[in-house]
Amino acid sequence: EAQVTQNPRYLITVTGKKLTVTCSQNMNHEYMSWYRQDPGLGLRQIYYSMNVEVTDKGDVPEGYKVSRKEKRNFPLILESPSPNQTSLYFCASSSLRDRDNEQFFGPGTRLTVL
Amino acid sequence: QKEVEQNSGPLSVPEGAIASLNCTYSDRGSQSFFWYRQYSGKSPELIMFIYSNGDKEDGRFTAQLNKASQYVSLLIRDSQPSDSATYLCAVNDYKLSFGAGTTVTVRA
Repeated sequence: EAQVTQNPRYLITVTGKKLTVTCSQNMNHEYMSWYRQDPGLGLRQIYYSMNVEVTDKGDVPEGYKVSRKEKRNFPLILESPSPNQTSLYFCASSSLRDRDNEQFFGPGTRLTVL
Repeated sequence: QKEVEQNSGPLSVPEGAIASLNCTYSDRGSQSFFWYRQYSGKSPELIMFIYSNGDKEDGRFTAQLNKASQYVSLLIRDSQPSDSATYLCAVNDYKLSFGAGTTVTVRA
């Protein structure tokens, strides 16, 4: 089954404790992206990647890191989480060869930083 | 100015009526436009995309694009309670930019 998976789905942590949210897709997509979703603000892009070893900042990259060492994986790293990073996070992937560029979303990770 | 603006809602319509959702975008060079549906607590799912000026119909959904006015809309005909969700407009330049979403409630 074609899918984007994220782990963990729920996470409660404390300020300053490094964490990683994993994202993996099995569709051989070149493009992967991380979004955060907050009430009234819609989906805001954090980082995206056009291919292996190619990453770039989105609209709200501060406080986040990413890496793209393999095509299928795109982990999101919070080196020192703060309460303002409490949010719902989505990973997405798409094929750059398709004009419709449909983005397939993972199930989301709800993060709470105390 | 925000790149993609949607009517704020919430929008409440009776079952069987037409729900009309609007979206404007700031980049005149944008080429691809998408409507996603998101149920509460779930991930967004694509319902329609449109590239060319005019209307595109898919079942009960019709997307309308007017590039001169930088405007894209979504009509939901014969609205059903299962259409109750948040609808996200997205514009694809080199990346996908989303509007804040419009929440639709269909009253039975």
